[in-house]
Amino acid sequence: IAGITQAPTSQILAAGRRMTLRCTQDMRHNAMYWYRQDLGLGLRLIHYSNTAGTTGKGEVPDGYSVSRANTDDFPLTLASAVPSQTSVYFCASSEFGAATDTQYFGPGTRLTVL
Amino acid sequence: QKEVEQNSGPLSVPEGAIASLNCTYSDRGSQSFFWYRQYSGKSPELIMFIYSNGDKEDGRFTAQLNKASQYVSLLIRDSQPSDSATYLCAAPRGLNTGFQKLVFGTGTRLLVSP
Repeated sequence: IAGITQAPTSQILAAGRRMTLRCTQDMRHNAMYWYRQDLGLGLRLIHYSNTAGTTGKGEVPDGYSVSRANTDDFPLTLASAVPSQTSVYFCASSEFGAATDTQYFGPGTRLTVL
Repeated sequence: QKEVEQNSGPLSVPEGAIASLNCTYSDRGSQSFFWYRQYSGKSPELIMFIYSNGDKEDGRFTAQLNKASQYVSLLIRDSQPSDSATYLCAAPRGLNTGFQKLVFGTGTRLLVSP
């Protein structure tokens, strides 16, 4: 069992380019999340999904979009990348998104926008 | 005031000592808390979950929750150099009915010297 996989591991991207970060989990979890982690700011929620077919906005959704076509996959798209989106991106999942559910994190994608 | 606050550190302790990591929160309605450990360049992994006032022990780790004073702490006994990492405190927040996000502190960096 792999848990959560993310791709790519790292990427350098020119400003203005479109980029999709991939996230796949094999735990059959209903809830999935995207975070960005920046020095001094900690982990901030970008978007989330309660279950397949539904998504919602987190704290910092501007410039990002997500989709949840099935249980396993939760891609994050940057429509037109800007340097302020340089960050480490983590995908996470939990069984139901309840207050007592543990969130499990993927290995992360380090993105640099030039 | 941030919802979840931690001292960024670094907290330096000698090998074998007790490391005490603290976290304060602003929402008196918070019922449960998570402690995650994050090694440099890696993703967060769950260390402890606590939802009742008092102590919860798991091996060398003890989580302490004081709801009246609105703080939660993590004690690491017999600290080892391998415990050197950033420790993140997190509390659930409701997004919609029955669904929660995690609000993270910015983390405390722990350094255990041999």
